[in-house]
Amino acid sequence: QKEVEQNSGPLSVPEGAIASLNCTYSDRGSQSFFWYRQYSGKSPELIMSIYSNGDKEDGRFTAQLNKASQYVSLLIRDSQPSDSATYLCAVSGSGTYKYIFGTGTRLKVLA
Amino acid sequence: KAGVTQTPRYLIKTRGQQVTLSCSPISGHRSVSWYQQTPGQGLQFLFEYFSETQRNKGNFPGRFSGRQFSNSRSEMNVSTLELGDSALYLCASSLGQDSGYTFGSGTRLTVV
Repeated sequence: QKEVEQNSGPLSVPEGAIASLNCTYSDRGSQSFFWYRQYSGKSPELIMSIYSNGDKEDGRFTAQLNKASQYVSLLIRDSQPSDSATYLCAVSGSGTYKYIFGTGTRLKVLA
Repeated sequence: KAGVTQTPRYLIKTRGQQVTLSCSPISGHRSVSWYQQTPGQGLQFLFEYFSETQRNKGNFPGRFSGRQFSNSRSEMNVSTLELGDSALYLCASSLGQDSGYTFGSGTRLTVV
């Protein structure tokens, strides 16, 4: 079992729709959770962090964390073509000083 | 505020050679991590340094090594290069474990 799992996609959504990206993790002791966006040919860029159960909103982005079920999700409201990218989920393992990244979900927003 | 700077941006090396990559973190960031990114494997953790100490290491062979200097700048070295080492090598700095990373632009290494 991979430590952090994401559906590779591509996930295609029409412009203006809500894109829902999911991630599951195996280490129950994980403390910190992050979403990164990576455009083709570019480096990953941090867009959201979440540390406690529930929702965290930042503009059009909402991160959701459920530690009991060991999943974290990212919702993108009013999706735009410029949101087309690969979204990477990262989980900080308990006391290990490293992040484990999922392989990413490729999102395509269709104009 | 300057970002994370990686040099060089591109490298072409021959099998068997060695290579050294450099990373200068954001000022004030003492944690520096290195990742290898390939299309098939995604981001694979190499190692993490904090205040000149390696705190964690990924599952890579001993040919991959690194170090961090007192000014937080970090280098990674790959000896006896293999074709499979061709990848994008990313350096990221952060304030600490619970902080997100800021990535550099990466060094694209091609081994021929």
